[in-house]
Amino acid sequence: EDQVTQSPEALRLQEGESSSLNCSYTVSGLRGLFWYRQDPGKGPEFLFTLYSAGEEKEKERLKATLTKKESFLHITAPKPEDSATYLCAAPGSGGYNKLIFGAGTRLAVHP
Amino acid sequence: DSGVTQTPKHLITATGQRVTLRCSPRSGDLSVYWYQQSLDQGLQFLIQYYNGEERAKGNILERFSAQQFPDLHSELNLSSLELGDSALYFCASSRDSISTDTQYFGPGTRLTVL
Repeated sequence: EDQVTQSPEALRLQEGESSSLNCSYTVSGLRGLFWYRQDPGKGPEFLFTLYSAGEEKEKERLKATLTKKESFLHITAPKPEDSATYLCAAPGSGGYNKLIFGAGTRLAVHP
Repeated sequence: DSGVTQTPKHLITATGQRVTLRCSPRSGDLSVYWYQQSLDQGLQFLIQYYNGEERAKGNILERFSAQQFPDLHSELNLSSLELGDSALYFCASSRDSISTDTQYFGPGTRLTVL
């Protein structure tokens, strides 16, 4: 069964304290791994797409990496405005474009 | 702003009623997706339309239905509403229907069933 699992469930950081969020997946024939950021009550905001193992993408303080079994979202020197829930998702197997989402990591960055 | 619009922003209704949620995709996008987000279930895929035709179905209840119109906007109809249908409903759109397409999400409709 296709599954996307994120850890930790919640993470509290001090401003400037770097860390990583994990996303592991069991989807046969992975056709992309997507990262989104979601603020409370808002729609998910697209961050990155990774397509193959070894690929890395960066945006400001965020860097996403992909291996054959998992993806990491590295947050370098975070600021309070980085506080949000970070979601990863992968298209389900079977040729469809339905995204299977992980439960998310709730990140809180304190000054 | 993703370019995907959804109306209404909030909807409060009673059990047994029927509601319609509306979504306009980004300019040029042909695929529309509907997702439900509740506290205990996370984001769950409901249904996908591509250029007016149903393309994929997820865990969508029989009481729920959707369609995509010639102008590419989509509507999600929820009927015989139950308390458990209270959730955030998101629409997303993508350029095509292939699985590597990035989906861009709208701001959502918060449905409260009393």
